[in-house]
Amino acid sequence: DSGVTQTPKHLITATGQRVTLRCSPRSGDLSVYWYQQSLDQGLQFLIHYYNGEERAKGNILERFSAQQFPDLHSELNLSSLELGDSALYFCASSVGVSSGNTIYFGEGSWLTVV
Amino acid sequence: QQQVKQSPQSLIVQKGGISIINCAYENTAFDYFPWYQQFPGKGPALLIAIRPDVSEKKEGRFTISFNKSAKQFSLHIMDSQPGDSATYFCAASRRETSGSRLTFGEGTQLTVNP
Repeated sequence: DSGVTQTPKHLITATGQRVTLRCSPRSGDLSVYWYQQSLDQGLQFLIHYYNGEERAKGNILERFSAQQFPDLHSELNLSSLELGDSALYFCASSVGVSSGNTIYFGEGSWLTVV
Repeated sequence: QQQVKQSPQSLIVQKGGISIINCAYENTAFDYFPWYQQFPGKGPALLIAIRPDVSEKKEGRFTISFNKSAKQFSLHIMDSQPGDSATYFCAASRRETSGSRLTFGEGTQLTVNP
């Protein structure tokens, strides 16, 4: 158990809908990351938050948004969902912000868009 | 420039054999090279990592070999066991002023036959 908690574990929704994925980082970790894993794209970095502030942005679609709250939990909002958004979404956390900090992954949220 | 290329895509090894997975990168700004292990239904878990100032790092049966001039690094699993059967991802990250991100290879599905 990495200590990173993600909910829900599985989610099935229809195209055009909006969903929110939730993440609680490991105790003491200030950084939260979101990654998307799909068969065709592999593991792709989406976004990094540190202590409530956005620090780095990757291949995140404009239909997706994220935030980190004062209690350090994070939410990834996915809207106007398309079939191609079906994927496993991982949250990860680390103590600091810099390269080299061990990044711990949660078990992921499986999103299926039908 | 941000890509990490991983090979082979899949690997079958007999119990007790050596598993070797290779990765290559282009961006010389990368300064941290972790390997992650992922079991079905689980998130990636850090296995071992190396910085470019050393050419080799060993932890138990797992060894990273790093060739800075060739921009390549590899994972060696000695005395491979059926419990090592999983998907392995190499990754790289670089020191950024504000945040960090892992760039992952495509993954290698390792099967260790008993």
